Amino acid sequence: NAGVTQTPKFRILKIGQSMTLQCTQDMNHNYMYWYRQDPGMGLKLIYYSVGAGITDKGEVPNGYNVSRSTTEDFPLRLELAAPSQTSVYFCASSFQETQYFGPGTRLLVL
Amino acid sequence: GQSLEQPSEVTAVEGAIVQINCTYQTSGFYGLSWYQQHDGGAPTFLSYNALDGLEETGRFSSFLSRSDSYGYLLLQELQMKDSASYFCAVRDSNAGNNRKLIWGLGTSLAVNP
Repeated sequence: NAGVTQTPKFRILKIGQSMTLQCTQDMNHNYMYWYRQDPGMGLKLIYYSVGAGITDKGEVPNGYNVSRSTTEDFPLRLELAAPSQTSVYFCASSFQETQYFGPGTRLLVL
Repeated sequence: GQSLEQPSEVTAVEGAIVQINCTYQTSGFYGLSWYQQHDGGAPTFLSYNALDGLEETGRFSSFLSRSDSYGYLLLQELQMKDSASYFCAVRDSNAGNNRKLIWGLGTSLAVNP
């Protein structure tokens, strides 16, 4: 099992550009999450999904969108990137009480 | 509001024991989890407590007191590789069945030789 994979590992965006952060899991988990982590801080939930076709907002959804067409994939879309979206983005899936995290995507918006 | 409090930094020496505390204020409570994150890495699951008491997993133990809204992570026989950030997280029972977690800001543990 590869677990949770994320691409890209690192990306630089210009203000106003858009991009999609990819997340895939091969553990057949229904629950998936997108977090952002700013330096020295905890994790903030952006969006989550409880199964294919079902998504909902977390604490900080503004400026982001998600879709969940399959159990495996949960892409995060950034529209009109802003410097405030500079962060590390983690995707996770969960089974029972354990969340399994991908390696993260470091995003720099200049 | 909902919040978790944990110390921002803890320092210890190799071979020692360290305790990282976490107090929580949430509208509902289902369980307390602990995650470890090394610099530049992803969080990894350490433990979960739903009931009062101590859960032991090797050198790491986790304790919960629901009546005190308090838990701690105990790390024994500290090794240099234990230098990392440790996060407590609460699953809120009022959040439905979405398994969302409320996260603390993390405790940075430095283990010195």
